[in-house]
Amino acid sequence: DAKTTQPNSMESNEEEPVHLPCNHSTISGTDYIHWYRQLPSQGPEYVIHGLTSNVNNRMASLAIAEDRKSSTLILHRATLRDAAVYYCILSVFMEYGNKLVFGAGTILRVKS
Amino acid sequence: NAGVTQTPKFRVLKTGQSMTLLCAQDMNHEYMYWYRQDPGMGLRLIHYSVGEGTTAKGEVPDGYNVSRLKKQNFLLGLESAAPSQTSVYFCASQNQGPISNQPQHFGDGTRLSIL
Repeated sequence: DAKTTQPNSMESNEEEPVHLPCNHSTISGTDYIHWYRQLPSQGPEYVIHGLTSNVNNRMASLAIAEDRKSSTLILHRATLRDAAVYYCILSVFMEYGNKLVFGAGTILRVKS
Repeated sequence: NAGVTQTPKFRVLKTGQSMTLLCAQDMNHEYMYWYRQDPGMGLRLIHYSVGEGTTAKGEVPDGYNVSRLKKQNFLLGLESAAPSQTSVYFCASQNQGPISNQPQHFGDGTRLSIL
């Protein structure tokens, strides 16, 4: 099954940028790269996704390697509210809909 | 706008009991999903539905049944609960769109303990 590999944990200072890496060497041509985050006692929250090109939205930026085997989620200015588990996920096409293949994620700690 | 609502939020069952978890979404989404999350792990897909009256198996379907009688509701049933089904259950909905291109919207989960 499609799989991603992320660091177990990372730490950042408040107001500084954070780069969260992800490896997905078995990605197939139709798999999108999604990032979700999960705060304690809440469901996952969508952050950003992309296929081949870098993407920006109000929450973050996604940088995708040219060979698509890795990607990096960039939080431009970390705040305390960004402390969460961040999941790099391959969105695998099924006959209908798509399956999100979750790994264990990266615990991001933000220091004030 | 409530989004995705799961009921109940918490439940404790005894082995062998049955129960139904309810997921309701008010976004008129076609697709709905049930996942489970065990401690320290990511979510795993149990069952999903691509529209009213349709259901399909996901990655870990054994011991669960589902029904989608109305577009806005997706029910997850445990016929005979087992301790291995102790987990946090998440429901998600998704707008129908281009292949693998739509984000999923999650509820806040149902924490289920089976003794």
